[in-house]
Amino acid sequence: DGGITQSPKYLFRKEGQNVTLSCEQNLNHDAMYWYRQDPGQGLRLIYYSQIVNDFQKGDIAEGYSVSREKKESFPLTVTSAQKNPTAFYLCASSAGNSGGHQPQHFGDGTRLSIL
Amino acid sequence: SQKIEQNSEALNIQEGKTATLTCNYTNYSPAYLQWYRQDPGRGPVFLLLIRENEKEKRKERLKVTFDTTLKQSLFHITASQPADSATYLCALYNFNKFYFGSGTKLNVKP
Repeated sequence: DGGITQSPKYLFRKEGQNVTLSCEQNLNHDAMYWYRQDPGQGLRLIYYSQIVNDFQKGDIAEGYSVSREKKESFPLTVTSAQKNPTAFYLCASSAGNSGGHQPQHFGDGTRLSIL
Repeated sequence: SQKIEQNSEALNIQEGKTATLTCNYTNYSPAYLQWYRQDPGRGPVFLLLIRENEKEKRKERLKVTFDTTLKQSLFHITASQPADSATYLCALYNFNKFYFGSGTKLNVKP
């Protein structure tokens, strides 16, 4: 079955540590996205990529970094500069070079907590 | 500033009734509006998309309306079932990005 796989499901970060969240898709989608979801809040866009080797900052990119070396992979690194990283992180993809007429397909998220 | 508002209070209805959820937005002119369903601990799942030039869209027991003058979308589930209990999110597309509301939790009681 085609879909998006996020790993790990749960992740714990120590102070001063960088951690990387994995996102892989086999839908052959061009566009990929990272969102952060906090309780009672909507999804907020961290980074997005419309094509391999290119990505743009979203609304809350500070303290995060990404890469897009392969079409199917879009890992997110939460750096030590992100002072409030505890949240539910969602990866999504869509066909075409973004475009609001395409639905987004989401993974089942990674829940990041601070030790 | 741009804002998308969904009722933060949970909507509790009886099985078989019609559930109506609201999505209001300000300072956007979206060409498309999407609705998603999210279950606890899972990622959102796409349900329906409506374009700005469409007034209404239907899919099985689901219906979405889009009023660009009122800046509002309504999402209806007819003949609701306990399995419809979830959080429903609306999303707007504007300038290459999607913007999501915080969602409304629907509880359908048997």
